[in-house]
Amino acid sequence: DVKVTQSSRYLVKRTGEKVFLECVQDMDHENMFWYRQDPGLGLRLIYFSYDVKMKEKGDIPEGYSVSREKKERFSLILESASTNQTSMYLCASWGGVGTYEQYFGPGTRLTVT
Amino acid sequence: GIQVEQSPPDLILQEGANSTLRCNFSDSVNNLQWFHQNPWGQLINLFYIPSGTKQNGRLSATTVATERYSLLYISSSQTTDSGVYFCAVGTNAGKSTFGDGTTLTVKP
Repeated sequence: DVKVTQSSRYLVKRTGEKVFLECVQDMDHENMFWYRQDPGLGLRLIYFSYDVKMKEKGDIPEGYSVSREKKERFSLILESASTNQTSMYLCASWGGVGTYEQYFGPGTRLTVT
Repeated sequence: GIQVEQSPPDLILQEGANSTLRCNFSDSVNNLQWFHQNPWGQLINLFYIPSGTKQNGRLSATTVATERYSLLYISSSQTTDSGVYFCAVGTNAGKSTFGDGTTLTVKP
């Protein structure tokens, strides 16, 4: 079974802090994604990566950056956390053609105070 | 971009009842998945179904790609089926657009 793990289930940070959210998958998937989920707004794509060191902006990249130095790890970085970044963050991976399902991690609920 | 509409937004059932959830999408897609989000926020894969019909126990799904909709059937519902059901569609390498979900509550 595909396993996608995220570094924290719950995280509380202060405004202005730099925040790292880590995601690791164990199935050698090429494609990884970061979404955020907010009540009334559903799941929205922040960034995705098709390969190591490659990244593309999703629908709401402002205020975020990402890093993919190794195939199994995809990090989401909040350069200077703000209260409007309080949300549930979900990481996903996808293996490409022949492995069509996207698998999600358990999520990180981030609160910025 | 693709628009995804799910209906109904909310559904309340008695245990043992059957239900049908619908997902309409605005353009041709080459991937479609149904997910169940449990109370802890985890998204669980139910079906990958860009076309055709699949069944897994009490759940089944049908996608009619030419008419741009998919249906998720839940039979003999149980309290553990409660949660939010999402439809996600996409045309490019795993990048998906999600519907707003259907919140299902199954009462004992």
